[in-house]
Amino acid sequence: GEDVEQSLFLSVREGDSSVINCTYTDSSSTYLYWYKQEPGAGLQLLTYIFSNMDMKQDQRLTVLLNKKDKHLSLRIADTQTGDSAIYFCAETVNYGGATNKLIFGTGTLLAVQP
Amino acid sequence: EAQVTQNPRYLITVTGKKLTVTCSQNMNHEYMSWYRQDPGLGLRQIYYSMNVEVTDKGDVPEGYKVSRKEKRNFPLILESPSPNQTSLYFCASSAVSWNTGELFFGEGSRLTVL
Repeated sequence: GEDVEQSLFLSVREGDSSVINCTYTDSSSTYLYWYKQEPGAGLQLLTYIFSNMDMKQDQRLTVLLNKKDKHLSLRIADTQTGDSAIYFCAETVNYGGATNKLIFGTGTLLAVQP
Repeated sequence: EAQVTQNPRYLITVTGKKLTVTCSQNMNHEYMSWYRQDPGLGLRQIYYSMNVEVTDKGDVPEGYKVSRKEKRNFPLILESPSPNQTSLYFCASSAVSWNTGELFFGEGSRLTVL
């Protein structure tokens, strides 16, 4: 079955770069996503990458995709205290036709120390 | 303002007392879904709906019911809640069924069943 794994916790100092990693099992994934969950709030889409891309950059965020190793990472440059949150990796799996399913990882808690 | 609204945000109830968590979106989205979030398990899908009167089970549907009589509303019903349904619940919606990764989330409903 499909599975998406992430490490549970990452601590960095303000101003450093953060790298959050994710591994997935389904090679047919079309899109891979990063969501951010701030305390007491719902998830918010941060960025996504199509499976035929290797990299996507969006301001301080860089997404790297290694399809061979089924590894996805999110790099946050110049990490700020406001980046403290839980980050979820997710993949879209197609079961045929119009039915897609979104599989979430367990989430990585990013703690930014001032 | 585009949003997904859930009610109640917090609820403490007792075993066996039926309850409904409402979800409403004002974006005319076709796709809606319910997730539960538990520590160490990430988000797991309970039920989803591709459109009005079209619903289907997710990964953990046992003990839950849903309905989709109108496009904007997707209530989650717990007919006889049990303590293992104590969790944080999220409703989400998406504009297009084929790419269900770009989800808009509600702020969550924290349910405690005693």
